[in-house]
Amino acid sequence: GDSVTQTEGLVTLTEGLPVMLNCTYQTIYSNPFLFWYVQHLNESPRLLLKSFTDNKRTEHQGFHATLHKSSSSFHLQKSSAQLSDSALYYCALSESQGGRALIFGTGTTVSVSP
Amino acid sequence: AQTIHQWPVAEIKAVGSPLSLGCTIKGKSSPNLYWYWQATGGTLQQLFYSITVGQVESVVQLNLSASRPKDDQFILSTEKLLLSHSGFYLCAWSLEGPDYTFGSGTRLLVI
Repeated sequence: GDSVTQTEGLVTLTEGLPVMLNCTYQTIYSNPFLFWYVQHLNESPRLLLKSFTDNKRTEHQGFHATLHKSSSSFHLQKSSAQLSDSALYYCALSESQGGRALIFGTGTTVSVSP
Repeated sequence: AQTIHQWPVAEIKAVGSPLSLGCTIKGKSSPNLYWYWQATGGTLQQLFYSITVGQVESVVQLNLSASRPKDDQFILSTEKLLLSHSGFYLCAWSLEGPDYTFGSGTRLLVI
């Protein structure tokens, strides 16, 4: 079945440094949708960005990600982390535009310190 | 503007007791609705989805059931709670695509 792998459970860094969160996926479908959700403490997940176009960079709120179907990856990056970026980040996969399920990875907790 | 409301905000329930969690979406007609569960420290696991009134598909059972009695309402319930039911329950909606908007969630502690 479909799956999403996030290799880092916890990422700790200092404010101002770049951050990259890994996301790879497995699916039999040729046109998957990939998502990044962010969940701040005691809040519900919120969509950060999404993509279904191969090799096209998607950006939102200083974060960016590029879907690479050749490597089944959708890594999340930001050039300069802020304290407010401390949160739990989920990568998620849907098989298609009409997919009935959003498959989430295990999540990566980002902790940014001054 | 569309809103999604979940109730209750939090519950502490005894093992073996019944449970009913609710979700209401306003401002959208015929949304797709979903229930997700997040164990403490765990990932988001889809439980059920519904694309129309009266129709609910189960993804993972977990001794829970769901119903959609109205277009804008989605109910999650069980007759007998287990300790393993503790966690964070999230309702979500989408229209045609998989862009989900999550509700604020219900925190459940089973003791």
